[in-house]
Amino acid sequence: GQNIDQPTEMTATEGAIVQINCTYQTSGFNGLFWYQQHAGEAPTFLSYNVLDGLEEKGRFSSFLSRSKGYSYLLLKELQMKDSASYLCAVRDWGYIPTFGRGTSLIVHP
Amino acid sequence: ETGVTQTPRHLVMGMTNKKSLKCEQHLGHNAMYWYKQSAKKPLELMFVYNFKEQTENNSVPSRFSPECPNSSHLFLHLHTLQPEDSALYLCASSLISAANTGELFFGEGSRLTVL
Repeated sequence: GQNIDQPTEMTATEGAIVQINCTYQTSGFNGLFWYQQHAGEAPTFLSYNVLDGLEEKGRFSSFLSRSKGYSYLLLKELQMKDSASYLCAVRDWGYIPTFGRGTSLIVHP
Repeated sequence: ETGVTQTPRHLVMGMTNKKSLKCEQHLGHNAMYWYKQSAKKPLELMFVYNFKEQTENNSVPSRFSPECPNSSHLFLHLHTLQPEDSALYLCASSLISAANTGELFFGEGSRLTVL
């Protein structure tokens, strides 16, 4: 089976930087995804990592260490609209990802 | 707008009713999924269809019955549900190919309440 762990809730201040961690234990590895889900809306794709290292996309970056079973999502210059749930999802073999419980991020002024 | 449309957005049904959820994707994807999202729990995979063939059924009770008539449409037929089945049901699609990351595109979800 798979075990994906991420914090339940985090809070941060507008303009700051926040790092959301995800650890996983899988029998194989075929990619890790981060999704953003605002309340009452569909999850939307943020990033994909399959090789070790940092992938940067504007204010958002995602890091992967396969040997440690670890990823993080880094959000810079936080805005109020970044308040949402952030879902880590891992594929072991094949094409179907398994999701963690999600991290609810609250950004306050 | 993600290119995946779900109807209805909200549904209230009694335990003896029969209803269906509908999902349609306009992205040319070849795989479609049903996920269940409950509060404080991870997204739970229910069913997967790849090129219209069901490839996953994660021990879902038979009161949930999927149907995939073509690669663009997916249904979830519901009958004699239980109150614990109340949740957000998310449809997703993806393009499975060697040259693609295969990320999921989700619909807005159907919020189901079973009385």
